[in-house]
Amino acid sequence: GAGVSQSPRYKVAKRGQDVALRCDPISGHVSLFWYQQALGQGPEFLTYFQNEAQLDKSGLPSDRFFAERPEGSVSTLKIQRTQQEDSAVYLCASSGGQRNTEAFFGQGTRLTVV
Amino acid sequence: LAKTTQPISMDSYEGQEVNITCSHNNIATNDYITWYQQFPSQGPRFIIQGYKTKVTNEVASLFIPADRKSSTLSLPRVSLSDTAVYYCLVALGGTASKLTFGTGTRLQVTL
Repeated sequence: GAGVSQSPRYKVAKRGQDVALRCDPISGHVSLFWYQQALGQGPEFLTYFQNEAQLDKSGLPSDRFFAERPEGSVSTLKIQRTQQEDSAVYLCASSGGQRNTEAFFGQGTRLTVV
Repeated sequence: LAKTTQPISMDSYEGQEVNITCSHNNIATNDYITWYQQFPSQGPRFIIQGYKTKVTNEVASLFIPADRKSSTLSLPRVSLSDTAVYYCLVALGGTASKLTFGTGTRLQVTL
């Protein structure tokens, strides 16, 4: 596609509910990243995939957070038993362009846990 | 990880040149400096990257002194549409694999 696509754009979940956030990276991009952005803060790294391999998951805040990219393209970030502190914008990015520090970000999914 | 420090906010008038300076004292030999821009309700967008000296593209210039402990992003003749948050990052090993954003500089451009 033309850019990184994320769905849904907005998600409201009741506390304790499980949610799944989807990311469609730019076609052919090998690297895929997930970030979490709280209001008024910069994005914080969650996890990184190279193809289907999850190379770094050091930023996942708890074992309630799980990410996968089974076929090396689309990725899903799953949050189990959501809590209020999970409310944030979840950003997905992909990389594979010529400039080696350039990552292309989607518009994000705004998750609100009530 | 190399931490970056940049001003929290800056104000400018339309048509002026804006320079945002960032310090990164602990930058390692293989690290690159990269800058991103973020508008409200959008994901960050890459602006420019550099290793040393000066880099220029169609959007901005990046000045990096010899010791690489700081860098300056220069935006020529800003317009209202340049109002955004600007992040200075040190990209570990020159890759995008684990970008650390910080809180950024909120630039407000007015008439």
